Amino acid sequence: KAGVTQTPRYLIKTRGQQVTLSCSPISGHRSVSWYQQTPGQGLQFLFEYFSETQRNKGNFPGRFSGRQFSNSRSEMNVSTLELGDSALYLCASSSTGGFQETQYFGPGTRLLVL
Amino acid sequence: GENVEQHPSTLSVQEGDSAVIKCTYSDSASNYFPWYKQELGKRPQLIIDIRSNVGEKKDQRIAVTLNKTAKHFSLHITETQPEDSAVYFCAATPPSGNTPLVFGKGTRLSVIA
Repeated sequence: KAGVTQTPRYLIKTRGQQVTLSCSPISGHRSVSWYQQTPGQGLQFLFEYFSETQRNKGNFPGRFSGRQFSNSRSEMNVSTLELGDSALYLCASSSTGGFQETQYFGPGTRLLVL
Repeated sequence: GENVEQHPSTLSVQEGDSAVIKCTYSDSASNYFPWYKQELGKRPQLIIDIRSNVGEKKDQRIAVTLNKTAKHFSLHITETQPEDSAVYFCAATPPSGNTPLVFGKGTRLSVIA
């Protein structure tokens, strides 16, 4: 099976703009989670979608939002970008949606906000 | 909620030596503890996990131990090789299965040939 894919791989934006990132899970996986990775902060959970419903949400401001489509592909959107949003954004998929099973990560989208 | 602390943040070892990374967690209800490895420029990948009904688990040169009383778990890598150089993340989550993993901040392991 093909692995988790993310597009685009790199993005440069300026403050105040908005951005949309895309994640395609492994075929058959119904859960998609999003994480923000910054140096020294590790992986911080943003949200999880399962069968098109947001099931969990991390402690991020409302500028961060997401959605999931019927084919399990997911998008996340960040509005009114701030310098501190510069990070690697990773998505991960799992088959049945439990966090006690292997999370398969994508390669990430590296976002730079200038 | 759960809080996971990971030490050390950086670790350098000579090739062939052992490496140990430790994590502590705060929620006594947590019962699943995976470890992920992220090589430079690559995606995190699960290398080993342990559940609270087991005290130790081994997979070739990698082992994880769990002390539920003290609420800490450790990753042990023996006979380290240059390809073990990476950032390692520990994580924890409680039994519901629907509560997201809480990750430690990572340990950058460098194996010096």
